[in-house]
Amino acid sequence: GQQVMQIPQYQHVQEGEDFTTYCNSSTTLSNIQWYKQRPGGHPVFLIQLVKSGEVKKQKRLTFQFGEAKKNSSLHITATQTTDVGTYFCAGREYNFNKFYFGSGTKLNVKP
Amino acid sequence: DTAVSQTPKYLVTQMGNDKSIKCEQNLGHDTMYWYKQDSKKFLKIMFSYNNKELIINETVPNRFSPKSPDKAHLNLHINSLELGDSAVYFCASSQRSPPTQNEQFFGPGTRLTVL
Repeated sequence: GQQVMQIPQYQHVQEGEDFTTYCNSSTTLSNIQWYKQRPGGHPVFLIQLVKSGEVKKQKRLTFQFGEAKKNSSLHITATQTTDVGTYFCAGREYNFNKFYFGSGTKLNVKP
Repeated sequence: DTAVSQTPKYLVTQMGNDKSIKCEQNLGHDTMYWYKQDSKKFLKIMFSYNNKELIINETVPNRFSPKSPDKAHLNLHINSLELGDSAVYFCASSQRSPPTQNEQFFGPGTRLTVL
């Protein structure tokens, strides 16, 4: 069945350092979404990628969708303490009506 | 105004009891979901309704029964609660029904603790 793996599980960085989380699917995805969950909070939508090789930016965040549409990444430049939280990818297969969430990457930023 | 609301926020109960969690969205979305997030933070979809019709029913014990009285509400009833049911349950909604899905809006979650 569909599996969406995410690495790393945890990442501790010093404020100002960069951070990247990777998402890999066992099957080709029709699209992928990224969410952020603050400690004690709920997942909040960040972005959706649909096209092969797509790259989108939101200020210090850069999202990429692989050419084969089986992997994706989220890169944060110069992390800030406000970036703390767990980042989830959620991929949807073709012909299926649901998103499979990755296991999440928990980011801790030390001031 | 809260877009997706859930009640209660916390639920502590004994094994074997029956409990319900309610969810309401005021976004006019036609699709609603229930997710379970365990202690390791894995988010797993349980059910999805589109215009009151069940469209996704994952491998979930039949002790869990969703009910959608209208497209703005999706409730979750759990019978004979077990220790392993302890988790945070999130309700979510999205704008369009599958296969084209927009972003999902999540509720604040209900932390269920079974003693």
